[in-house]
Amino acid sequence: GEDVEQSLFLSVREGDSSVINCTYTDSSSTYLYWYKQEPGAGLQLLTYIFSNMDMKQDQRLTVLLNKKDKHLSLRIADTQTGDSAIYFCAESLKTSGGYQKVTFGIGTKLQVIP
Amino acid sequence: NAGVTQTPKFRVLKTGQSMTLLCAQDMNHEYMYWYRQDPGMGLRLIHYSVGEGTTAKGEVPDGYNVSRLKKQNFLLGLESAAPSQTSVYFCASSTPRSSGRAGEQFFGPGTRLTVL
Repeated sequence: GEDVEQSLFLSVREGDSSVINCTYTDSSSTYLYWYKQEPGAGLQLLTYIFSNMDMKQDQRLTVLLNKKDKHLSLRIADTQTGDSAIYFCAESLKTSGGYQKVTFGIGTKLQVIP
Repeated sequence: NAGVTQTPKFRVLKTGQSMTLLCAQDMNHEYMYWYRQDPGMGLRLIHYSVGEGTTAKGEVPDGYNVSRLKKQNFLLGLESAAPSQTSVYFCASSTPRSSGRAGEQFFGPGTRLTVL
């Protein structure tokens, strides 16, 4: 079955690096995503990684994928107060009907302390 | 481009009342979704649509109906609202995942619904 797990809360000091972790259970996932949700807003895609990649870097964001352990992480370098938000990990699976099902984790609330 | 828009932004209903939430997207996306977000539960898929005129049940469809008469619109209906349907509702749209396309979902700003 498919399930995506994340820790609920992370607190870091401004300027430090943040690492948000996620585990997923379905090895057939082909895309894994990180979304950011600011208070009172919808989810916004931050980045994604294809399952044949181990790492993807985009400015302050680094995504690491360990397919053997089904572990995904998002590292935010030089964390700023504007990074305070809830971060969702999600995996994309193709169903037998051809539809791509996306399963979201519960979200990790990142608190950045000035 | 407005992206994905939702109306209304807020609504308060009494138990047993009905209402329709409207979602519109101007990105010509084939797929559209309705989710609810509750504290400690993450996002749960209510219904989805893979194209105009088609709908399908998601994880928590009971008490809701949907329609997709036009490609750009996806309507979520509550026929007889219950307090358990108090939640924040998000609409999203996407293109199918294919070669070179990640199929990421684009979300609306949400509708906060309270059922008394």
